[in-house]
Amino acid sequence: AQSVTQLGSHVSVSEGALVLLRCNYSSSVPPYLFWYVQYPNQGLQLLLKYTTGATLVKGINGFEAEFKKSETSFHLTKPSAHMSDAAEYFCAVSGGQAGTALIFGKGTTLSVSS
Amino acid sequence: NAGVMQNPRHLVRRRGQEARLRCSPMKGHSHVYWYRQLPEEGLKFMVYLQKENIIDESGMPKERFSAEFPKEGPSILRIQQVVRGDSAAYFCASSPRDLRDPYQETQYFGPGTRLLVL
Repeated sequence: AQSVTQLGSHVSVSEGALVLLRCNYSSSVPPYLFWYVQYPNQGLQLLLKYTTGATLVKGINGFEAEFKKSETSFHLTKPSAHMSDAAEYFCAVSGGQAGTALIFGKGTTLSVSS
Repeated sequence: NAGVMQNPRHLVRRRGQEARLRCSPMKGHSHVYWYRQLPEEGLKFMVYLQKENIIDESGMPKERFSAEFPKEGPSILRIQQVVRGDSAAYFCASSPRDLRDPYQETQYFGPGTRLLVL
């Protein structure tokens, strides 16, 4: 069975500050890990994913995440927050095959203040 | 390449009516997934379909809900005799059919249909 835990349902940062959104997973098979972003009343947009290989993954909009197997974590970071980063962020895990359902965390709402 | 299309974007139904949600996958994608997002929660998997086949419906409620993905046309999620608890955002996602495609395990999401049951 697979599951995802996102620590902190709300995170607030100042513009220009570091963004850190936490995600821990459990999986009985080598996981594929994803971060998606959802803007109000819109669908989910893929930010980045980890499948195999390099454990530091770079995504769009300056975000990156590091897969740490020993910590079962896949935290999302961005060095400097922009106002436009305010959105809801979802971490998800799958079993790594086409057709495998994604298991989502409950999401973290990021607020950015000026 | 157009993205995943869903319609309607918003749907209002009274209790007892039927709701039909449509999803057209990205061009070249033959895997379709439906997810439901309840308020303050993440997305929950409902059903996975390929053309003319339901592959995994382990997340579908046992009654009133059905899904299809015909040979021609969009995938349809149908909810019969809707109740207030069905109010949610329903998202469709698609992924490529070619297992050699490096993105074959990546699901691309549509904008969702927001269902409100009065």
